[in-house]
Amino acid sequence: DVKVTQSSRYLVKRTGEKVFLECVQDMDHENMFWYRQDPGLGLRLIYFSYDVKMKEKGDIPEGYSVSREKKERFSLILESASTNQTSMYLCASSPNRWGSSYEQYFGPGTRLTVT
Amino acid sequence: KNEVEQSPQNLTAQEGEFITINCSYSVGISALHWLQQHPGGGIVSLFMLSSGKKKHGRLIATINIQEKHSSLHITASHPRDSAVYICAVTYGGATNKLIFGTGTLLAVQP
Repeated sequence: DVKVTQSSRYLVKRTGEKVFLECVQDMDHENMFWYRQDPGLGLRLIYFSYDVKMKEKGDIPEGYSVSREKKERFSLILESASTNQTSMYLCASSPNRWGSSYEQYFGPGTRLTVT
Repeated sequence: KNEVEQSPQNLTAQEGEFITINCSYSVGISALHWLQQHPGGGIVSLFMLSSGKKKHGRLIATINIQEKHSSLHITASHPRDSAVYICAVTYGGATNKLIFGTGTLLAVQP
C-alpha cells in the first residue's frame, strides 16, 4: 500500500524558532512536494523536488527552505518561524515520467501553530 | 482570476440527493484531478482524467476539454460523503505539478 508519512500531526512552536518538518515516502517516487493549506486560499506549492539534491521554488518559497538528501525523504525547514506561517502543511509525492500524468499521494498533514 | 475555479464553494444537501460540483480551468493541462479531504484528514485522489468520463461506485467525473470544464457527480449522497472536494490540474509535464482550486465544502445531512 502506498504511503507518505509526516513526522508530526500537530506542532506548536515559538516565533523565531527553527522548525523542521519531515516527509517520507515508500514508493520510490522521484517527485516530492511541500504545500501549505489555508482557508480560502487552497493548497499552495512551497517547494518541489524532482530528484535527490534537486529543488525548485514553488509559488510561496519565502521564509522556507528544503532538503532532499535521500530519495525517500524531503524536509521543509522554517528558518525563523513567524506567526504568519501558522498553517496546515502537506507533503506529497508522485512518479516523474515524460508524457504521462500521475496522481500525487499526500501525507496526513502537519498542523503547525506558531505563537 | 484563479486558473482553477470551483463552484459552489459550499454545498449542503439532504441524504439521497444527486450532487454536482463544477470546475473550470484556464490553462493548458495534461490531466484533471478530483481530490477528497475529510475534516482533519489527509487528501486522497478520487479521479484523474484527461478525457471523457470515469465512474467509481457512486462517484462520476466528467471532463470537456474544449470547454475546459469538469464536473464531479455524487449519486445517492450519504452523510459520509461530507468532505472538501478539490479540483486540480496537472500542467507541469513530467514534474506533475498541480494547480488547485479552493475546494467545495460539502455537507450531507441525514
